[in-house]
Amino acid sequence: GNSVTQMEGPVTLSEEAFLTINCTYTATGYPSLFWYVQYPGEGLQLLLKATKADDKGSNKGFEATYRKETTSFHLEKGSVQVSDSAVYFCALLTGANNLFFGTGTRLTVIP
Amino acid sequence: EAQVTQNPRYLITVTGKKLTVTCSQNMNHEYMSWYRQDPGLGLRQIYYSMNVEVTDKGDVPEGYKVSRKEKRNFPLILESPSPNQTSLYFCASSTSYYYSSYEQYFGPGTRLTVT
Repeated sequence: GNSVTQMEGPVTLSEEAFLTINCTYTATGYPSLFWYVQYPGEGLQLLLKATKADDKGSNKGFEATYRKETTSFHLEKGSVQVSDSAVYFCALLTGANNLFFGTGTRLTVIP
Repeated sequence: EAQVTQNPRYLITVTGKKLTVTCSQNMNHEYMSWYRQDPGLGLRQIYYSMNVEVTDKGDVPEGYKVSRKEKRNFPLILESPSPNQTSLYFCASSTSYYYSSYEQYFGPGTRLTVT
């Protein structure tokens, strides 16, 4: 079956620290992989995506590389800001266009 | 502005009183979906629709109904709400059912409390 396992939070970092949020997946076939971000009181927004092995998605300083050999899609950012405080969801999308989400990781960045 | 709208944003109701949460998108998307978000469980799909008059169950459909009579609207119906349906609900839409790389656009969420 399809599933996503995400690093449990919450994660608290100081401004300008390095961020890694781990994500591994189990999937049949060749899924697309996504990171969504949910800011307080809002819906989910797409942060970045990768559609095939070795693709790197990037946006707003965040990056994630689709690693088929380790079935991983870890989210990284070199220098976080207070405005990055949010909940981050890793997700995979099968050919049936059904998204499977991880449980979410809450990030808090303190000045 | 391209968006998915949901109403109401907040709702407190009592067990057994039928309710409908509306969802509308203005992007001419074919695919629409409902999710519920619960602490420690992430988002789980309730129902989805590939196009007008075409709907199917997601992972947690029990206690919910949907309809898709128009392309832009996809209401979620709780015929007899129970406390275990207290949750945060999101509607989402996407260009097409058939392409697995397409982004899903999410509404702002509806927080439902059933007492």
